[in-house]
Amino acid sequence: AQSVTQLDSHVSVSEGTPVLLRCNYSSSYSPSLFWYVQHPNKGLQLLLKYTSAATLVKGINGFEAEFKKSETSFHLTKPSAHMSDAAEYFCVVSGHSGGGADGLTFGKGTHLIIQP
Amino acid sequence: EPEVTQTPSHQVTQMGQEVILRCVPISNHLYFYWYRQILGQKVEFLVSFYNNEISEKSEIFDDQFSVERPDGSNFTLKIRSTKLEDSAMYFCASSYPGPGTEAFFGQGTRLTVV
Repeated sequence: AQSVTQLDSHVSVSEGTPVLLRCNYSSSYSPSLFWYVQHPNKGLQLLLKYTSAATLVKGINGFEAEFKKSETSFHLTKPSAHMSDAAEYFCVVSGHSGGGADGLTFGKGTHLIIQP
Repeated sequence: EPEVTQTPSHQVTQMGQEVILRCVPISNHLYFYWYRQILGQKVEFLVSFYNNEISEKSEIFDDQFSVERPDGSNFTLKIRSTKLEDSAMYFCASSYPGPGTEAFFGQGTRLTVV
């Protein structure tokens, strides 16, 4: 069994300040972890993924996330927020050892608001 | 850049009617999926499809749902007799096989059952 908890349903930051979106997971397997972003009226876009290589993962648009097994966390960060970062962010865990994405479990999402 | 496309973007249907949601996955992907997101709730897995058959399905995917790959490019989700609680955003996705593979998602179809 696997689950994902996104600790904040909404996060509001000022433009130019750091972003932190928190995610904790549980998984019976060695997990793969993903962050997806959904802009209004758009599909889900992959930001970054962790698949048991380096624990600090860099993604698109300046985002990065650190896998911490001891804390079962995979928090998403960005040093300086931009207005275009305003969107819904989903933390996703996959615990299947096999192929495909049918083992993906989504968090409820965090709505990121950027204040000018 | 290749992308997954879904049509229509919004579908309104009367309760009890059949609907077909359409998707064109990325052309060289081998796995295809449907997910749904009821307003205010999590994105939920419905079904995965590989090698022209269902490889896995969730409890949500009951007898009123079916999937089909009628030709080499389309992937459809049919809901036979829609209920009010089927109102949701439905996402199609596709991927390569392999551990830790990410899914590429379409923009979604918003289904409203009235």
